[in-house]
Amino acid sequence: DTEVTQTPKHLVMGMTNKKSLKCEQHMGHRAMYWYKQKAKKPPELMFVYSYEKLSINESVPSRFSPECPNSSLLNLHLHALQPEDSALYLCASSQVRATGETQYFGPGTRLLVL
Amino acid sequence: AQKITQTQPGMFVQEKEAVTLDCTYDTSDPSYGLFWYKQPSSGEMIFLIYQGSYDQQNATEGRYSLNFQKARKSANLVISASQLGDSAMYFCAMGAPMTTDSWGKLQFGAGTQVVVTP
Repeated sequence: DTEVTQTPKHLVMGMTNKKSLKCEQHMGHRAMYWYKQKAKKPPELMFVYSYEKLSINESVPSRFSPECPNSSLLNLHLHALQPEDSALYLCASSQVRATGETQYFGPGTRLLVL
Repeated sequence: AQKITQTQPGMFVQEKEAVTLDCTYDTSDPSYGLFWYKQPSSGEMIFLIYQGSYDQQNATEGRYSLNFQKARKSANLVISASQLGDSAMYFCAMGAPMTTDSWGKLQFGAGTQVVVTP
């Protein structure tokens, strides 16, 4: 079953708040990803975890802090965000093999920063 | 560096007709993967189809087929017998091989908005 779940579906937060986005997959995948997507634009990669280790950090500001507690879970901790951080945040997972690993996406969290 | 280009920002297609979405790419890697995703207004990115650079045959998945022309570096998506539910944004994407530091990065095109009309 190709399913990645994300909570919450929607989040409104102030610039001084601390919140977390959660992502879970039960497909036995060992790579997990966070993307940020603005309206009418393609997703932008933020972080990649491979075997629970951070393998790619696309120069994301430190107010975004990823965490991978185990192979099924991926969190994104948010602190002191800016209004321009309002976006759709997508989580994805895939196998870790050769070229051609399909990334399966969750439904996303729509974040609004006031 | 990899690059994906989708030149059609939007298109209208009538129900039951076929539609071709264009995608061209550029890479110096001999091994790469090409993907198409569908994103309805709900936001979820839905995987449609995959083509590997060494695959001899064009990929097909139900009503979706990928017209892969390696020499021209194009990977067009063909949707046959369009349905109203096909209305969505469609993204072409390329994945890098594990032998590079870029493994895990999906390079996306700008997307094509498809509207299917009755």
